Amino acid sequence: ETGVTQTPRHLVMGMTNKKSLKCEQHLGHNAMYWYKQSAKKPLELMFVYNFKEQTENNSVPSRFSPECPNSSHLFLHLHTLQPEDSALYLCASSQVQGEHDTQYFGPGTRLTVL
Amino acid sequence: RKEVEQDPGPFNVPEGATVAFNCTYSNSASQSFFWYRQDCRKEPKLLMSVYSSGNEDGRFTAQLNRASQYISLLIRDSKLSDSATYLCVVMQTGANNLFFGTGTRLTVIP
Repeated sequence: ETGVTQTPRHLVMGMTNKKSLKCEQHLGHNAMYWYKQSAKKPLELMFVYNFKEQTENNSVPSRFSPECPNSSHLFLHLHTLQPEDSALYLCASSQVQGEHDTQYFGPGTRLTVL
Repeated sequence: RKEVEQDPGPFNVPEGATVAFNCTYSNSASQSFFWYRQDCRKEPKLLMSVYSSGNEDGRFTAQLNRASQYISLLIRDSKLSDSATYLCVVMQTGANNLFFGTGTRLTVIP
C-alpha cells in the first residue's frame, strides 16, 4: 500500500544534528497529522493540519517544527533533540467530512537520538 | 485519568478460539470509535469503525455501550494471522484528533 509514504524509514541522529522527516499522502485528503509512538505508551498526537493550516499543537517542544506546504506534503523538522525523543514518528491523513473521519497511517520513521 | 484505557494483555489463545477485548473511554462527548490493528514494527491500520448499533465484519464484531462508556471487539475462530496489537481509538465531536489506548496484544497459538 502506498497511500501514505514516509521517509526516511530509519534515522539515527546526534543531539546537535538537524534533520527533517517527510510525509506524502496520495489519497486526496485534506488533513494531515504527526504522531509519536514510544514504547509502552499510546500514540500521542503532536500536530494537526487542516487544509494546510495548523489547528492542533499538543504542547510539543519547539525542537519539533512542522511544515505543511500543501495538502499532500507534511514535514517535521528536528533540531537539538534529546535521547527521550527516540520513538516511532507516524504520519497520518484523513478526509475531514463527518463523524467517522478515518485516519490512514504511513509506515513511520523510527528515530534514534544518541 | 487516561482518555482511553485498555487491558494490555497479552492474550494468548489457541487457533479457533473466541477472544474479546474491552476498552473504556473517559469523555462522554466522544462520538466516533474505531479499532485499529498494529503488527509488530508496522503502522496502525483501521480494522473497523464502531457504530452505535454495533457492527460485524466477518469474524469480527464491535459493540459500543455509551451508558457505560466502553467499546468491545470480539474475534471468533481466531487465526494465526490475527496475532497483533489491537488499538482502541476514540474521537471527540468536532475534533479530528484521535485518542489511542495503549493496545491489547493478542497472540494466537497453533
